Amino acid sequence: QKEVEQDPGPLSVPEGAIVSLNCTYSNSAFQYFMWYRQYSRKGPELLMYTYSSGNKEDGRFTAQVDKSSKYISLFIRDSQPSDSATYLCAMTAPNNFNKFYFGSGTKLNVKP
Amino acid sequence: DTEVTQTPKHLVMGMTNKKSLKCEQHMGHRAMYWYKQKAKKPPELMFVYSYEKLSINESVPSRFSPECPNSSLLNLHLHALQPEDSALYLCASSLGGRRLFGQGTRLTVV
Repeated sequence: QKEVEQDPGPLSVPEGAIVSLNCTYSNSAFQYFMWYRQYSRKGPELLMYTYSSGNKEDGRFTAQVDKSSKYISLFIRDSQPSDSATYLCAMTAPNNFNKFYFGSGTKLNVKP
Repeated sequence: DTEVTQTPKHLVMGMTNKKSLKCEQHMGHRAMYWYKQKAKKPPELMFVYSYEKLSINESVPSRFSPECPNSSLLNLHLHALQPEDSALYLCASSLGGRRLFGQGTRLTVV
């Protein structure tokens, strides 16, 4: 079983839709959770960084962490064609920040 | 300055060449990383430098040789690479759990 599971998609939505991206994990030691956006042939860009459980909002993006269910989500409101990219979740434990565990990435396509 | 800068953006090299990838950050991060990313896969950790010392080598072949000349710079020296080493090479730096990546060097080995 992988440490982090993420549906690879592709996920195709119309412009303006609400997008929900999700990851599940198995290691209860994870406490730091990240979402990265990666455009084709570019490096991953840190979108959201959350610690422990709860919600965090930044503009059109909301990150949710449910540690009891070992489930994290990224919501994108009013999706735009420029949001078309691969979204990677990542997580780490405080006793070993050097080791990041990535999901496989979900490819999102927002159609105009 | 809140970014990680990598040069060159693209590199094509023959199997007998020696080349170097460079990475720079001025955020005061004391942990720096090299990752390799193949198409449609997440990044794979290669090396970790902590306070300018190599702390993790993920069993990377010796044809990849990392170097950390100071707290802001990270190099990856390449020699006698194979075509299967063609990939996007990413540098990253961290403060705690917050890790920032550079835009990568797209390497093609011919």
